[in-house]
Amino acid sequence: KAGVTQTPRYLIKTRGQQVTLSCSPISGHRSVSWYQQTPGQGLQFLFEYFSETQRNKGNFPGRFSGRQFSNSRSEMNVSTLELGDSALYLCASSLSGGGYTFGSGTRLTVV
Amino acid sequence: AQSVTQLDSQVPVFEEAPVELRCNYSSSVSVYLFWYVQYPNQGLQLLLKYLSGSTLVESINGFEAEFNKSQTSFHLRKPSVHISDTAEYFCAVSESVSGAAGNKLTFGGGTRVLVKP
Repeated sequence: KAGVTQTPRYLIKTRGQQVTLSCSPISGHRSVSWYQQTPGQGLQFLFEYFSETQRNKGNFPGRFSGRQFSNSRSEMNVSTLELGDSALYLCASSLSGGGYTFGSGTRLTVV
Repeated sequence: AQSVTQLDSQVPVFEEAPVELRCNYSSSVSVYLFWYVQYPNQGLQLLLKYLSGSTLVESINGFEAEFNKSQTSFHLRKPSVHISDTAEYFCAVSESVSGAAGNKLTFGGGTRVLVKP
């Protein structure tokens, strides 16, 4: 079966702009979570959605937001981009808490 | 709150030698434990996981990890490494009981394994 698909793979944005990243989970998986990976902070949890509802949120500013659609696809949005938002953004889907499958990530560069 | 400590940030090892990557966690509730591997410019791939049952878990490519509840550890081992095992390895935990609070993974800082010929 198809894995977790993240689009786009690479993005370059300018400070102050906003960006939207997309994640399509494995078919049948209703939980989608997002993580930010940077060299300095490592892998940090952003938020998790289940059946279109945000169930859990990490310690990120309100510029980071997300949503989930009825087909379980999820988007995350970052507004007013800062240089420090440059990172690899990873999406993971899960059927239950016992397993998480990650996508290949979106590499965001803010210049 | 949970935390994960990977005691070694880098581990150089010669091909065909054994390797052990150490992972300790802290949690006030029961947890699931995971090891993920990340190759350059890629996402995370699940190596193995402990959910319940036997405390020794194995992967299809020769890795194994043992859950030690008393020492709150989940160390990863491989008896003989290959060049292709060069990657970064992440230990992670999640609460074993979800619900309204949802699920999330808490990661360690990662261990870079460099296999030398």
